[in-house]
Amino acid sequence: AQKITQTQPGMFVQEKEAVTLDCTYDTSDPSYGLFWYKQPSSGEMIFLIYQGSYDQQNATEGRYSLNFQKARKSANLVISASQLGDSAMYFCAMRPLLGGATNKLIFGTGTLLAVQP
Amino acid sequence: GAVVSQHPSWVICKSGTSVKIECRSLDFQATTMFWYRQFPKQSLMLMATSNEGSKATYEQGVEKDKFLINHASLTLSTLTVTSAHPEDSSFYICSAREGRSYNEQFFGPGTRLTVL
Repeated sequence: AQKITQTQPGMFVQEKEAVTLDCTYDTSDPSYGLFWYKQPSSGEMIFLIYQGSYDQQNATEGRYSLNFQKARKSANLVISASQLGDSAMYFCAMRPLLGGATNKLIFGTGTLLAVQP
Repeated sequence: GAVVSQHPSWVICKSGTSVKIECRSLDFQATTMFWYRQFPKQSLMLMATSNEGSKATYEQGVEKDKFLINHASLTLSTLTVTSAHPEDSSFYICSAREGRSYNEQFFGPGTRLTVL
């Protein structure tokens, strides 16, 4: 069975500082993908970054980077130079990459990030 | 990225009525569509997975007779909440994926259902 754990229900960060959102996972699948999504108060799910389990390098997308530690089964999201618009709910998610088209994307409980001016 | 639309964006209905929510992939063929439900301040919970032209696969605990899913074409899936009750009030989000399992999954903007 798959499980995603986000232990930080909420976090504050000062504008322009970096922040790390924690995510650990558990799976028996040999090949899987890890995702981070941002959900602002409007409700839309915004894709931020993806890391494949066999990728040798940590993924980066602009101010977002994923600190992937496979042996520890963690996939923390790092946001550099926080902006007020980063205030939102952040979800970590995982999906196995083998086994067919209906493999399900499973979400963690989310972390609410508040950026303070 | 690809665009997924949902209609309506919000709906208020009376208890006992049925509500249909549409999910469309606008610029790609969605071989697989997913329906999620999200209660306030909670995570997205997968309700069901549907492949075009076949019956939906429901997650454990989701009543298939209450939440009817139709994926009749490669660009449209519908979720009908039958005989809605106040406890069905929630944020419903659809997601669509094209082709093989490692393709990115695109989310619709969500539909907020309020049952009075």
